[in-house]
Amino acid sequence: NAGVTQTPKFQVLKTGQSMTLQCAQDMNHEYMSWYRQDPGMGLRLIHYSVGAGITDQGEVPNGYNVSRSTTEDFPLRLLSAAPSQTSVYFCASTRRGAEGKSPLHFGNGTRLTVT
Amino acid sequence: GDSVTQMEGPVTLSEEAFLTINCTYTATGYPSLFWYVQYPGEGLQLLLKATKADDKGSNKGFEATYRKETTSFHLEKGSVQVSDSAVYFCALSDMRFGAGTRLTVKP
Repeated sequence: NAGVTQTPKFQVLKTGQSMTLQCAQDMNHEYMSWYRQDPGMGLRLIHYSVGAGITDQGEVPNGYNVSRSTTEDFPLRLLSAAPSQTSVYFCASTRRGAEGKSPLHFGNGTRLTVT
Repeated sequence: GDSVTQMEGPVTLSEEAFLTINCTYTATGYPSLFWYVQYPGEGLQLLLKATKADDKGSNKGFEATYRKETTSFHLEKGSVQVSDSAVYFCALSDMRFGAGTRLTVKP
């Protein structure tokens, strides 16, 4: 039972480098999202998707791109990394509908350091 | 807009002590409410939820009651264990989270 799988677990980048954080889920969930977790600030929503081909911005989208070509995958791209993007990133998914009653399923996170 | 205000920690308790972590919310309509727990090095996982007013969610000895009149969803446990040491997050159904409360339980 894989659930939500994130790769890599750890990553160090230099300022200006680009990379993609991978997220895949095997639960056929329509909704997927990316959060960043910073000390004292809880989780902040970066981008989300309600289905293949549909994405939208969350609370802190600047500096990040996403795409959703399949139901299973929702990669997060950093085009030009900055030290302010040092954080722990979580991908999550859930069923759509049910009037928001369905909880999120989280991956184990990617710890990113930008030097 | 909608928001969640959560008691900030850290909270340190002795084993078998009583735990309360306060959570209040501001929302239009009737959101579902959730508590998530994050153990060290892991992602968040659902602890309990409530979907309507006066509902009580419970799991692993933890409880929280959806109080619409006070817009609150406080987390309680009667006797904490060392294994309960984690970070706890209150959340609304629109995927908005509180800042998290770190709980440390000492033997």
